[in-house]
Amino acid sequence: NAGVTQTPKFQVLKTGQSMTLQCAQDMNHEYMSWYRQDPGMGLRLIHYSVGAGITDQGEVPNGYNVSRSTTEDFPLRLLSAAPSQTSVYFCASSPRTYQNTEAFFGQGTRLTVV
Amino acid sequence: GQNIDQPTEMTATEGAIVQINCTYQTSGFNGLFWYQQHAGEAPTFLSYNVLDGLEEKGRFSSFLSRSKGYSYLLLKELQMKDSASYLCAVRDQVKAAGNKLTFGGGTRVLVKP
Repeated sequence: NAGVTQTPKFQVLKTGQSMTLQCAQDMNHEYMSWYRQDPGMGLRLIHYSVGAGITDQGEVPNGYNVSRSTTEDFPLRLLSAAPSQTSVYFCASSPRTYQNTEAFFGQGTRLTVV
Repeated sequence: GQNIDQPTEMTATEGAIVQINCTYQTSGFNGLFWYQQHAGEAPTFLSYNVLDGLEEKGRFSSFLSRSKGYSYLLLKELQMKDSASYLCAVRDQVKAAGNKLTFGGGTRVLVKP
């Protein structure tokens, strides 16, 4: 059981480049989210999705786009990379229940923008 | 909006007990989670509280007081492998927000021999 898979694990970009961080889950979860983690700031929500075809902005959406064409995949696109986007990015998924719904996290993508 | 505070760092001795406090001020509340994160790894789920009181899970316990906006995570019989960051997170209303979590900055716990 793979769970939540993120690719790549590491990436270096030049300022102005664009790229897509991939996230896939095989648990048939309806909810998926992208977070970034910076030192001393915890995880901050970038975008989230409550199901295929439905996405919404989180706390820090600027500079990022998402789409959700299938239940399994939730890619995060950086439109024009900036040094401020140097961070560790985590994708998470969880089932649609209203009780103890823990989020399952991928292993993270460590992105450096130079 | 959401505001979640927890101490930055704590140090404790192997075999001892450590209590990590978390205070929150949120516009919506549908549960509080604690996650453990070892350096360079993904967060993993530890505990969940939605009603007031204590939830116990082996060496780990978590407490919630909704009226005070306060939670703590208690780690007993500390082991070296418990050295990690502990993240407090509040969930917004599930139905509208898709299990959206707001995290505190995390508390780094260092266990010494």
